[in-house]
Amino acid sequence: GQNIDQPTEMTATEGAIVQINCTYQTSGFNGLFWYQQHAGEAPTFLSYNVLDGLEEKGRFSSFLSRSKGYSYLLLKELQMKDSASYLCAVMDSNYQLIWGAGTKLIIKP
Amino acid sequence: GAVVSQHPSWVICKSGTSVKIECRSLDFQATTMFWYRQFPKQSLMLMATSNEGSKATYEQGVEKDKFLINHASLTLSTLTVTSAHPEDSSFYICSAREVSGRAYEQYFGPGTRLTVT
Repeated sequence: GQNIDQPTEMTATEGAIVQINCTYQTSGFNGLFWYQQHAGEAPTFLSYNVLDGLEEKGRFSSFLSRSKGYSYLLLKELQMKDSASYLCAVMDSNYQLIWGAGTKLIIKP
Repeated sequence: GAVVSQHPSWVICKSGTSVKIECRSLDFQATTMFWYRQFPKQSLMLMATSNEGSKATYEQGVEKDKFLINHASLTLSTLTVTSAHPEDSSFYICSAREVSGRAYEQYFGPGTRLTVT
């Protein structure tokens, strides 16, 4: 079956760095996405990785290793507004998104 | 950037009534639209995939006669929750994929919060 695993909840301090991991097992692979979702709102796109390596976009970076079925989202210089759920999703061979359960990130002052 | 709207943003209805939710791509044409449901503290659950001009494909466990999906044009898809019950209360989110876009580009609407009393 298809499976996406990510931690349920993480806590970090304002100004620090946090890494949210995601492992996956899917039928086919057409890219991995990270979305941010604030409570009561729809997800917003953060990043897309289809090749191995690190993609940097401002304070956020995303890494992919296809051979290991592994990705992480790295958030630097954390701000209180970064408190949200972070969803990992993999696009399978049918171009359908398979979603992880999301990681709730709590930022403390 | 591509914008997807949903209407209404929230709705309260009585048990047994039907509710229609609209999903529109405002500045692009979408061959495919996706309907998701999200319960509190849970991840997105794909309900169905709708392609313009054809019948929607429903995920296992989703009742197609209860959740009617119509994708009549390249910019509009509707989800009708028929004979709603309190357990249908949830956050419903649509997303749309561009006609000429790369396969991975999906854009999400802001969501519709449905409360059935």
